[in-house]
Amino acid sequence: EVQLVESGGGLVQPGGSLRLSCAASGFTFSSYWMTWVRQAPGKGLEWVAIINPDGSEKYYVDSVKGRFTISRDNAKNSLYLQMNSLRAEDTAVYYCAQVRSGYWGQGTLVTVSS
Amino acid sequence: QAVVTQEPSLTVSPGGTVTLTCGSSTGAVTSGHYPFWFQQKPGQAPRTLIYDTNNKHSWTPARFSGSLLGGKAALTLSGAQPEDEAEYYCLLAYSGPWVFGGGTKLTVL
Repeated sequence: EVQLVESGGGLVQPGGSLRLSCAASGFTFSSYWMTWVRQAPGKGLEWVAIINPDGSEKYYVDSVKGRFTISRDNAKNSLYLQMNSLRAEDTAVYYCAQVRSGYWGQGTLVTVSS
Repeated sequence: QAVVTQEPSLTVSPGGTVTLTCGSSTGAVTSGHYPFWFQQKPGQAPRTLIYDTNNKHSWTPARFSGSLLGGKAALTLSGAQPEDEAEYYCLLAYSGPWVFGGGTKLTVL
């Protein structure tokens, strides 16, 4: 059974940092592009970042460039999102996903507030 | 970054047919954008219905189909069921960042 399990969310003050993790199982993680998607409360889906199978290609939405870093550890079947200089507008549920295959986690909530 | 547009809301009668569309500010949507369609119900994670324009997953009901129509990506629901009431999002893959549409709230009434 395919599973994607996010962790690392929580409450952080503006300007702070968080590192999200996504543990993958049930598929050959190292063969797939992986994506982070977020959803602010009551809002639509927003594509955040993507990374290729070996980690050599990464792309970001403009609003997080220079602040967020996507990475992966294929030996650990894990995807990460390092989030720095967090802003109130980064408050959202963050999902990791392999969208083409239809693999989605349940999401982890990040709240940026003082 | 591109802007992807969807109808904010649509209503379909039970058993009826409705088409949701997905346009791009950069021009015509093509198969090269690998259009995706997702369904999301309240309190749930999104679910991938369609990928690469018209490919379905094993869990995608046969009444859903994807296509390109008039320069846009399209999701057609034929024979709407009450359980199809949900928010639907398209996603287009550009060279670099990908972009979601704003979503279509589909009401079955």
